[in-house]
Amino acid sequence: QKEVEQNSGPLSVPEGAIASLNCTYSDRGSQSFFWYRQYSGKSPELIMSIYSNGDKEDGRFTAQLNKASQYVSLLIRDSQPSDSATYLCAVKRQGAQKLVFGQGTRLTINP
Amino acid sequence: GAGVSQSPSNKVTEKGKDVELRCDPISGHTALYWYRQSLGQGLEFLIYFQGNSAPDKSGLPSDRFSAERTGGSVSTLTIQRTQQEDSAVYLCASSLRFMAPSTDTQYFGPGTRLTVL
Repeated sequence: QKEVEQNSGPLSVPEGAIASLNCTYSDRGSQSFFWYRQYSGKSPELIMSIYSNGDKEDGRFTAQLNKASQYVSLLIRDSQPSDSATYLCAVKRQGAQKLVFGQGTRLTINP
Repeated sequence: GAGVSQSPSNKVTEKGKDVELRCDPISGHTALYWYRQSLGQGLEFLIYFQGNSAPDKSGLPSDRFSAERTGGSVSTLTIQRTQQEDSAVYLCASSLRFMAPSTDTQYFGPGTRLTVL
């Protein structure tokens, strides 16, 4: 079992709809959770960080964390073609330094 | 402010040659990380520096890989006797502090694309 798992996609969503991206992790000692967006040929760009159970909203983005079920998700409301990218879920264990990344979900927003 | 910078942006080398990749972290960030992203692979942790502490080298794939950080700022990743499987994008990231939540966010540089022929 991979430490961090994501559906690789591609996930196709019509413009204006809600895109839902999911991530599960295996290490119960994980403390910090991040969503990065990566456009083709570019480096990862931080979208959201979340540390506590529940929802965290930032503009059109909402991160959801459920530590009991060991999943973290990202919702993108009113999806735009510019949201088309690969979304990487990253997890960090308490006291650890490195981020453990999922394989990423490729999202395509169709105009 | 300025973000993480890396150089060169692209590097093509022949198998067996040594290469050096440079990373300049965000000013004031004490933690610096190197990752590797291969085609079709996820991001793979290589090495981590925090202040003057001994680096965490647990992710280095072989003894051909080494890294140093001089003066607590700029870091150089060196790959000796490069192999074709070393071809990847090498990403550097920095963070303000690594222990406290909300300050451990890692910001990535643009990466160096290494191609070993």
